[in-house]
Amino acid sequence: TQLLEQSPQFLSIQEGENLTVYCNSSSVFSSLQWYRQEPGEGPVLLVTVVTGGEVKKLKRLTFQFGDARKDSSLHITAAQTGDTGLYLCAGNPNTNAGKSTFGDGTTLTVKP
Amino acid sequence: EAQVTQNPRYLITVTGKKLTVTCSQNMNHEYMSWYRQDPGLGLRQIYYSMNVEVTDKGDVPEGYKVSRKEKRNFPLILESPSPNQTSLYFCASSLFAGVSYNEQFFGPGTRLTVL
Repeated sequence: TQLLEQSPQFLSIQEGENLTVYCNSSSVFSSLQWYRQEPGEGPVLLVTVVTGGEVKKLKRLTFQFGDARKDSSLHITAAQTGDTGLYLCAGNPNTNAGKSTFGDGTTLTVKP
Repeated sequence: EAQVTQNPRYLITVTGKKLTVTCSQNMNHEYMSWYRQDPGLGLRQIYYSMNVEVTDKGDVPEGYKVSRKEKRNFPLILESPSPNQTSLYFCASSLFAGVSYNEQFFGPGTRLTVL
């Protein structure tokens, strides 16, 4: 099993602060996805990064894929209470497109 | 509306009583997958299907069965449920699990309790 390690596991910040969540592996992934999950619901896809070194922006969210395609980060600028949720990274091994590995997630709480 | 549906949403059962959790998608997706989510363990893949009649094991397949007889449906079968299968289950689908990426749409989840 190719593991994805996320850090931090829990993050509690004030509205307006910036934060970064990390997703690391010792293995190379053909792509990484970031999902957000709210209580009682299934994960919802935020973005996919495919190319090493790639940077994608989604409003206040910036996603980066490491040059070696082993790690990724999610940076949120000026966090809002609506950003509260569980953030999950997921990847597909280079050798098996069907298998999907998820990190344990980062629980983000943004206080007003 | 494009969606993945699961039924039932909540189920309490007893050890050994066979059950099926249904999953259906209306997006003509080729790929479907089942996951279980447990506190501290994240989402773990149980089984996946690349297309009709093609299924394969994920990371935690023991105690589960699946079938993919038609494109839209991917039921999860627990032949003899045990308490350690108490969990939150998610079905997901994607257009195509290509080499590059697998962007999945998730169902709302089924919370299963096995007594």
